[in-house]
Parts: sequence; structure tokens; C-alpha cells
Amino acid sequence: AQSVTQLGSHVSVSEGALVLLRCNYSSSVPPYLFWYVQYPNQGLQLLLKYTTGATLVKGINGFEAEFKKSETSFHLTKPSAHMSDAAEYFCAVSERGNNRLAFGKGNQVVVIP
Amino acid sequence: NAGVMQNPRHLVRRRGQEARLRCSPMKGHSHVYWYRQLPEEGLKFMVYLQKENIIDESGMPKERFSAEFPKEGPSILRIQQVVRGDSAAYFCASSPKEQGYEQYFGPGTRLTVT
Repeated sequence: AQSVTQLGSHVSVSEGALVLLRCNYSSSVPPYLFWYVQYPNQGLQLLLKYTTGATLVKGINGFEAEFKKSETSFHLTKPSAHMSDAAEYFCAVSERGNNRLAFGKGNQVVVIP
Repeated sequence: NAGVMQNPRHLVRRRGQEARLRCSPMKGHSHVYWYRQLPEEGLKFMVYLQKENIIDESGMPKERFSAEFPKEGPSILRIQQVVRGDSAAYFCASSPKEQGYEQYFGPGTRLTVT
């Protein structure tokens, strides 16, 4: 069964600094990988996804992630944090052949002015 | 194009009552998923439905929980005889197809059991 590990439930970053959120996954077959963002009392919004093809994927709001099969990782980055990036971020994986999304426990990002 | 709609947004039930959560997928989407978010935890898959069919219910608790997606109308997640441990946010998602297409999430229903 697929699973996701996100370390560090709370992440603080200074405004203008690099945002780096780590995601490692476990999957017995080639995975589909996703990053979602959740603002308070709202649903999840897709930031970006990897299915096939280019391993560096670009998403909304300046975020990008790179699929590294050898490291079973899909880390999320943004070069320069903005106050509006304060939210909770979830990495998710699904396996080809099923439709279940398995989520990590999330990273609560705080942006310090 | 309206997004995924869920209602009610907030639901309070006493222990032993029934909770009914409704989800209307995005227009053109025929695949519906339910997830539960417990405090301090990520989202956990519960069930995957297509119209009139339950495709995968591997995440559903064995008792008191049921889900349906009728030919007409919204998908319903039903929790009978609620207990305090059922207090959580329940999210519905929909997708146009299976296999790798992103799931679009609704705003969630926050269930509180008193």
C-alpha cells in the first residue's frame, strides 16, 4: 500500500526566503504524486502533480516539485516566500490501478515578516 | 463552473443521532471520493464511488458508516449512531476520470458530536 512521509509538522520561513517542504513516498508501483494546499476552514487546492514525463513540475503560485525515483521523493519548493503562502501543505500519492489518495500529515507553514 | 459543493458546512449532532453529509461533484465529474480529516492528522481515504456503484470502500469503518451516489442527486455519506470519535472534517472530492486525474475538493463538512 502507498504511504507518504512529511517531516516537521510546523515550518517557519522568513518572507523572501526559500520554501522547502519534504515529501517521501512508498509505493509498490509507479506513483502519481500531488501537492495540495489548505487554507483555514477551506478545502484542498491542487498546487501541482506528477503523473508521467518531465520530473520537474511547475504549479501555481510559483511552486515547483521534482520527482526523484531513486530517492522516492517529491519535495516542494518556492524560491521566495510570500505572506500569502501561510497555509497547510499536503503531499499525496496514488498508485496506478487505484484511485485512493494517501496523504502525509501535512506541513503548517508560517511566514515571518 | 461551480466547484464541488458540500452541505452542510457545519453539523452538530448529539451522541446516538444520525449525520448525513451531502456532496455534489463538479459538473461533468462522475467519480466521487470521501476523506476524513481528524485533528492533528492528514486526510484518510474512506470510499470511492461512481454513479450507483461503490468502487472502493476499503477505508470505511465496518459499522455505522455508509455511502451512496445515486443516479440522480448528490452523494451522501451517512453516519449512524454517532460517537464523539466521529468528530472530524469530512471532505468530498470529484474527478472526471480515474487514474491520475486530480481530485477537486469541496470545502468540507465539519461534524461535531456533543
